[in-house]
Amino acid sequence: DTAVSQTPKYLVTQMGNDKSIKCEQNLGHDTMYWYKQDSKKFLKIMFSYNNKELIINETVPNRFSPKSPDKAHLNLHINSLELGDSAVYFCASSHPSGVSTDTQYFGPGTRLTVL
Amino acid sequence: GESVGLHLPTLSVQEGDNSIINCAYSNSASDYFIWYKQESGKGPQFIIDIRSNMDKRQGQRVTVLLNKTVKHLSLQIAATQPGDSAVYFCAETANDYKLSFGAGTTVTVRA
Repeated sequence: DTAVSQTPKYLVTQMGNDKSIKCEQNLGHDTMYWYKQDSKKFLKIMFSYNNKELIINETVPNRFSPKSPDKAHLNLHINSLELGDSAVYFCASSHPSGVSTDTQYFGPGTRLTVL
Repeated sequence: GESVGLHLPTLSVQEGDNSIINCAYSNSASDYFIWYKQESGKGPQFIIDIRSNMDKRQGQRVTVLLNKTVKHLSLQIAATQPGDSAVYFCAETANDYKLSFGAGTTVTVRA
């Protein structure tokens, strides 16, 4: 009965490869997010989708492409992986109530290591 | 134990004592604030939130204080327990879906 789930939990790959991380939420939320957490634990938003539409796209290399097939899923595809992409990637979801942003609930994270 | 004034990255506290974690935010337009707890190997977990029309909110063993005048947020944990050892983040948003996170404070509880 996991609320926000991500797969895989660990991903080790070579530089230059293409990889995907999947995220699913069963909370009935309509907004989903991807965050990147670096080695110093700093969390920064990358993307956000609301009802399958992109609403936030921070300054992220276009090698990163989010895809939302439906409201419950938000996948992250990364092309031509670089060493600097090594980090923990978190998916989150929220259900905006009225005009206020509601609490974001986070998945367990995917630790990506690029060799 | 307390991280006083400016944000300090670590806080060591004796089990049973109260903890105070401080956070300064920068966006005066922010109107919603959240404290998250992140344990090792896990995602951030919601602890407590507060909206800008309040200055204090209490939960179970936790209290959040908001001072909009000086753009300061604090989290107080009563009777700190070993299970409270984690990294604590404050986060703010100005009603635009973007959560901006603080740098995080690592709390270590001494037995």
